Parts: sequence; C-alpha cells; structure tokens
Amino acid sequence: QKEVEQDPGPLSVPEGAIVSLNCTYSNSAFQYFMWYRQYSRKGPELLMYTYSSGNKEDGRFTAQVDKSSKYISLFIRDSQPSDSATYLCAMSASGNQFYFGTGTSLTVIP
Amino acid sequence: GAVVSQHPSWVICKSGTSVKIECRSLDFQATTMFWYRQFPKQSLMLMATSNEGSKATYEQGVEKDKFLINHASLTLSTLTVTSAHPEDSSFYICSAGTATNYGYTFGSGTRLTVV
Repeated sequence: QKEVEQDPGPLSVPEGAIVSLNCTYSNSAFQYFMWYRQYSRKGPELLMYTYSSGNKEDGRFTAQVDKSSKYISLFIRDSQPSDSATYLCAMSASGNQFYFGTGTSLTVIP
Repeated sequence: GAVVSQHPSWVICKSGTSVKIECRSLDFQATTMFWYRQFPKQSLMLMATSNEGSKATYEQGVEKDKFLINHASLTLSTLTVTSAHPEDSSFYICSAGTATNYGYTFGSGTRLTVV
C-alpha cells in the first residue's frame, strides 16, 4: 500500500466552480500536511501548509485535515483558468522526509 | 520569501556523458537539500538527502556512484548524473530548507534528455 494516495484525474471544471482535491494516507504518524501546485515543466510551489488537524484558509484556498479518517482536502473557490495545474499533496511525520501523492491534474475552462 | 534557483532548466546530452545540475538557495542558508526525480504523471521520488558538509543519504535503489551529490556550502548543492543513459531521462527537482522551514522550497526543475 502506498503511503499517500491521490486520484490523478484529470479534473476539468468551468471557471468559477468550487474544486475539491483530496488525498488519503496510511501512516498515522503524519502531522505535517502540504499542498503544492505544479505548472507544466516547473518545480512545485507550496500553496498551503497545515500542522495536525483542522482547517486553514488563504484567499480562495482552504486546506482541511481529518486525521481520524487519514484524509486531507484542498478546496479552491471561484476557480480561475490560471489555477490550471497539477496539485500535489505531501505529508511528513517529522517535517524532514516528505511523502508525495501522484498529483491531480486540474483544468479550469474559461 | 525563500527562493531556490536550479540550473540548467533543460539539458540534452549524449549517452555516456555526465551532466551536472546546480541547486542554489538565493536568500537563505539551506542546511538540508533534497533531490527528487519525477517521471511523467508520477509523483516526486526522493533520490537523496544531503546536509551541508556531510555525505548524502541515498534512498534505496538509487545508485550513489551514478548520481553524485555534493553539498559543499549552505547555499549550493549539485547533482551529477554520471555516464548518463536514455533511461536517466527525467525531470530532476531539488528542494532546500532549514530545520524550521517545513514544506521546503523547490527549484524550478531540470529536464534531462539523454540521446
């Protein structure tokens, strides 16, 4: 079983839609949870970082962590064509070694 | 914010030659640097972890004699792919951080094509 599972998509939504991206994991020791955005042929860019459980909001982005279900989510409100990218979840127990999902490819259609 | 510069962004080399990729932290001192490899539509795969001034720690299955990592200073790490073969063609990404910078900052990646 992989440490982190993420549906690769692709996911296609109309502009303005709410996007929900999810990852599940198996290691209950994970306590650092990150979401990265990666444009084609570029390195990942950190979007959201959450420690332990709970919600975190930053502009149009909301990250949720449910440690009891080993499930994390990233919500994008009022999605824009510029949000079209691959979104990677990553998590860590110690803050040093990270385990990445395979990424979900998102296209926002104008 | 923290910036990591990776160079070159793409390189094409002949089979059997060596290629060096540089990763620099521009505005902070990176005590730890990671090197990843990414195949199309696949996740980032950690290749090795390097701490400044010490030998890199390689993940299982990664040949340390083929992928030479040097982290001689707090702002520079290099990955040298020696005797490259077509199967080494991939997207290589570094990330750099400090002990308190959870999440780390990624470079822009290097697309290596071996012909």
